[in-house]
Amino acid sequence: NAGVMQNPRHLVRRRGQEARLRCSPMKGHSHVYWYRQLPEEGLKFMVYLQKENIIDESGMPKERFSAEFPKEGPSILRIQQVVRGDSAAYFCASSPTDRDGSPLHFGNGTRLTVT
Amino acid sequence: DAKTTQPTSMDCAEGRAANLPCNHSTISGNEYVYWYRQIHSQGPQYIIHGLKNNETNEMASLIITEDRKSSTLILPHATLRDTAVYYCIVRAESGYSTLTFGKGTMLLVSP
Repeated sequence: NAGVMQNPRHLVRRRGQEARLRCSPMKGHSHVYWYRQLPEEGLKFMVYLQKENIIDESGMPKERFSAEFPKEGPSILRIQQVVRGDSAAYFCASSPTDRDGSPLHFGNGTRLTVT
Repeated sequence: DAKTTQPTSMDCAEGRAANLPCNHSTISGNEYVYWYRQIHSQGPQYIIHGLKNNETNEMASLIITEDRKSSTLILPHATLRDTAVYYCIVRAESGYSTLTFGKGTMLLVSP
C-alpha cells in the first residue's frame, strides 16, 4: 500500500510566479491536511480538506494561498505570486477518517525555494 | 487540545533503550496521546498512539500513567537511524481535530 505521495519533491520558482503542490493521499483516505515548515521552525497546520470540501483553513494565509481536494485526482495547494518568505517545506498528510483516533500519515514533502 | 511538555534534547547509546518522557497534565478523557518523529528533511513519521492502556507495536512501546498526565515512549534497542526529533501530541478522539506540533525532543543516538 503506497504511502502519501507528494510531488514535486523540489520546486524552484522566481518571485511572482505560481507554485502548485500536489498530494495523493493513501488509498482509502478521504481526509487531507497540509502543513508548512519554515526553515529551522516547527510544523504549522495550514488547511484540512475532505473530498470537495474545505473543513478548516484557519492556518492558511488569507491571500495568495488556496487549496482544493477534488472528487477525482490529488489535492492541490496553490500559491500565487510567490515571495521569498514562502520558501519552506510543505507536507501533506492523510487519514481515512477523523474519528476513533485515526492517525495522520505524512508524505515526504515538497521543498519550495523562491529565488 | 491539551498542551504537552517534552525535554529539548536527549542522548542515548546505540543498542540501549531510549525512554522519551512527555507531560500532558491537562489532558481530557477523550484525548489520545500520539507520538511522531521527524528525521532530518523527511516528513513526520507516525510511531504509536494510545488512549488509556499501554500500547506496543513493531516500532515502540507507549506507557501511559494511570492518571494519564504523562507518558513515555520507549524505543527498546535504539539505532543510529532513530536519531530524530520526537513529538508527543495530544488530540481529541473524535470529531475534527488536527495535530498541533510543538518543539519536540531531539534524540541523538550515538555509537
